[in-house]
Amino acid sequence: GQQLNQSPQSMFIQEGEDVSMNCTSSSIFNTWLWYKQDPGEGPVLLIALYKAGELTSNGRLTAQFGITRKDSFLNISASIPSDVGIYFCAGQRTYGQNFVFGPGTRLSVLP
Amino acid sequence: GAGVSQSPRYKVTKRGQDVALRCDPISGHVSLYWYRQALGQGPEFLTYFNYEAQQDKSGLPNDRFSAERPEGSISTLTIQRTEQRDSAMYRCASSLRTSRADTQYFGPGTRLTVL
Repeated sequence: GQQLNQSPQSMFIQEGEDVSMNCTSSSIFNTWLWYKQDPGEGPVLLIALYKAGELTSNGRLTAQFGITRKDSFLNISASIPSDVGIYFCAGQRTYGQNFVFGPGTRLSVLP
Repeated sequence: GAGVSQSPRYKVTKRGQDVALRCDPISGHVSLYWYRQALGQGPEFLTYFNYEAQQDKSGLPNDRFSAERPEGSISTLTIQRTEQRDSAMYRCASSLRTSRADTQYFGPGTRLTVL
């Protein structure tokens, strides 16, 4: 079946640093979503991307829909302690199909 | 308004028992999705509904799993004759429109433990 890979699996950064993570697939996707999940909570949508090359920001977060349509990137600028959590990408291959979720990137922010 | 709610939040059951997990979507949301999430993994699609109609159940692991949404609002995921491998977090999500590209809002989940 379809699979998404996320890297890195986990990362430890200092408060104030910028963060980059990505999501890749062997298949082409037409929609990418980025979610954040806090401990004990459900995933919360951060950014949705619908077109190849699209660059979308949400506050300190910026996500890009890769030109090849097989990847997506999420950047967080000037990280703060509340950025801690697991970041999931989700992709939809074609309209009408299910979203497939990646395994997540676990972010830890050191004060 | 209120978000997606799920009950119970925690369920511990003995192997072989049936369990019913409830999802109350955001009011007015047409689509409702069920996912299963293993520890340290992303959500895995199980099934989804538009209104009361089950559109896709391809993610249900086997015929012990079933779901219904009889009035197009609250949904119940039922697992019969539970097995230890069924232990996981079961999450529900809803979206306003029927397009699967529409934003899905997740509930807090029900953590199922089968002893």
